[in-house]
Amino acid sequence: QSVLTQPPSASGTPGQRVTISCSGSSSNIGSNYVYWYQQLPGTAPKLLIYRNNQRPSGVPDRFSGSKSGTSASLAISGLRSEDEADYYCAAWDDSLSAVVFGGGTKLTVL
Amino acid sequence: QVQLVESGGGVVQPGGSLRLSCAASGFTFSSYGMHWVRQAPGKGLEWVAFIRYDGSNKYYADSVKGRFTISRDNSKNTLYLQMNSLRAEDTAVYYCAKDPAYCSSTSCYGPPGIDYWGQGTLVTVSS
Repeated sequence: QSVLTQPPSASGTPGQRVTISCSGSSSNIGSNYVYWYQQLPGTAPKLLIYRNNQRPSGVPDRFSGSKSGTSASLAISGLRSEDEADYYCAAWDDSLSAVVFGGGTKLTVL
Repeated sequence: QVQLVESGGGVVQPGGSLRLSCAASGFTFSSYGMHWVRQAPGKGLEWVAFIRYDGSNKYYADSVKGRFTISRDNSKNTLYLQMNSLRAEDTAVYYCAKDPAYCSSTSCYGPPGIDYWGQGTLVTVSS
């Protein structure tokens, strides 16, 4: 059971916009930055979003992050076949003194 | 550019020990905290441990507390994970990861998190 809650799966067709939610609590998302990672099959996770809504250089602006209260979401617009991957949210938890992850969302591009 | 290269994985019997290393380059290693994160086969990401930039504080997941020890050698730009009393459920790919918060000699700017990841090293605990 993960501390952060994500839907196990999401899907969309090419060109569509999809969103992935991440729900936490006041000790993690509510008081710290949210990070999003993309993990393609057989590879290490890659940073997509940091500090709730900031994109590292090289990440397309099709990817965007937002946070409100104890929840966050990742939006992917103009969906492409290469976006098919697992997506994870994470945040520091002040009560646990630990990084906590969501269980991951498998995105399928139909 | 930031590079994190893990090594030391392999097959070990239950109850055995293993030490993982992570060689860091492309950033000022001594100014950043570092993490270990693992991923069991077919499962999600699980945070394992975090060490502050100067080694002054260490934090562990309950699942490894008392068995694993995180450490660092800033003179060698290297992070370590000593794993003792290994169990079958410790079987996973272990990733070394960098914390994004820059730390000066007096304070760190921002709460812990994870930005860059290594490629991972596989640890298999089996008889």
